[in-house]
Amino acid sequence: DSGVTQTPKHLITATGQRVTLRCSPRSGDLSVYWYQQSLDQGLQFLIQYYNGEERAKGNILERFSAQQFPDLHSELNLSSLELGDSALYFCASSVGSGGRAETQYFGPGTRLLVL
Amino acid sequence: AQSVTQLGSHVSVSEGALVLLRCNYSSSVPPYLFWYVQYPNQGLQLLLKYTTGATLVKGINGFEAEFKKSETSFHLTKPSAHMSDAAEYFCAVSAGNSGNTPLVFGKGTRLSVIA
Repeated sequence: DSGVTQTPKHLITATGQRVTLRCSPRSGDLSVYWYQQSLDQGLQFLIQYYNGEERAKGNILERFSAQQFPDLHSELNLSSLELGDSALYFCASSVGSGGRAETQYFGPGTRLLVL
Repeated sequence: AQSVTQLGSHVSVSEGALVLLRCNYSSSVPPYLFWYVQYPNQGLQLLLKYTTGATLVKGINGFEAEFKKSETSFHLTKPSAHMSDAAEYFCAVSAGNSGNTPLVFGKGTRLSVIA
């Protein structure tokens, strides 16, 4: 158990809908990262927040957005969902702002299925 | 841009045999390298990481990896495979030259262990 929690574990929804994925980092960690894992793209970095502020952006679609709240939990919002958004979404956390040597601790993921 | 190539999407070994999972990276700056393992229906767990210093890195569960700059490689090995090692393994690089560098992952290698 990494100490990172994600809810829900599974999500089934329809195209065009909007969903929110939630992540609670390990106690004391200030950074939260979101990754998407799909069969064709592999594991791809989406976005990072550090202490409430956006820190780095990866291959995140404009239909997706995220935020980190004062209690440091984070939410990833996915809107206008398409079939291709079906994937496993991971949250990770690290203690600092994301320095190169920092270890990221991963949650168990949320499996999203868009029908 | 940084990238990681994992040779072999699927590796199969007999129980007790040597495990060798290959990882090559591309980076314009000295890389920091990571190996993560993903067991079925779980998140990623850090096996080991290389930052600076000793090029042979020992990790959990008997795994180790050697950083070879001349070969741009960071192969993962274990002398004797156990059934419990069956999982997906991901090599990742953190190689940006700024203070914030999200991980870039390889496509992963699925390890099967045959009794």
